[in-house]
Amino acid sequence: GAGVSQTPSNKVTEKGKYVELRCDPISGHTALYWYRQSLGQGPEFLIYFQGTGAADDSGLPNDRFFAVRPEGSVSTLKIQRTERGDSAVYLCASSLKPRDIDMNTEAFFGQGTRLTVV
Amino acid sequence: AQSVTQLGSHVSVSEGALVLLRCNYSSSVPPYLFWYVQYPNQGLQLLLKYTTGATLVKGINGFEAEFKKSETSFHLTKPSAHMSDAAEYFCAVRISGSARQLTFGSGTQLTVLP
Repeated sequence: GAGVSQTPSNKVTEKGKYVELRCDPISGHTALYWYRQSLGQGPEFLIYFQGTGAADDSGLPNDRFFAVRPEGSVSTLKIQRTERGDSAVYLCASSLKPRDIDMNTEAFFGQGTRLTVV
Repeated sequence: AQSVTQLGSHVSVSEGALVLLRCNYSSSVPPYLFWYVQYPNQGLQLLLKYTTGATLVKGINGFEAEFKKSETSFHLTKPSAHMSDAAEYFCAVRISGSARQLTFGSGTQLTVLP
C-alpha cells in the first residue's frame, strides 16, 4: 500500500479480554516497530522486527504483550488479559533496513489504533 | 540511556510570529535527532533530522532546527507561523550502535492564534 495501515482504528474492549492489533507496513520495508502512546505522552518503544524475527523486544511492558510477524510483512500485536492501564494509542512504523553505518533511515508511521479498556 | 526533554507542553503564538519549540537531549554517544509532527487523527510525520554534518537542518513546511552539542539542544524554529502549523510536535533521539528505536519527548502542542 501507499502507507502504513493499522486496523482497527479504534478498539474498545472489556478488562480481562484479549485483543489483536494489526499493522500492514509499506511494501518492501523489512523493519517494523511498535510504539505505545499514552495520553499526554510521546510514543514509547515496544518492539522492533527485522524481517520475521523480533530483533529487540525490550520495550514490551510485561508478558501479557506479544507481537508476531510470521511472513516478514504484516505484524500483529497481541495483548492478553487487558487492563485499564493498557488504554493508549498503539502506533506502528516501518522502514527500510537500517544500515549499521547510516542509521537515519526514515520510519513511516501509521495512524495508530486507539485502544480503550473499560 | 538516552532521554529527551521538551520544555513547554503547550505553546501559543500569533499567526506570523516566530515559532520556537525547545528540545534537549541526553546521550552518552553522538545522537541522531529528529522532529516529528502529528496532526489530529493522523500518524507521525517526519519534519527534519540531524545525523552528521551541517548542524543547521532544514525541513519541510519552512521549519529548521540547529544541533548544538555544547547545549545538548535541538530546538525547532520557524520564522513565521501559519494557522496550518497547529499540531503536536515531538522531538526524538536515536543513538548510534545497536539500538534502532526512537526515544521521544513528551510533545509540545502548538496553537496558532489568528
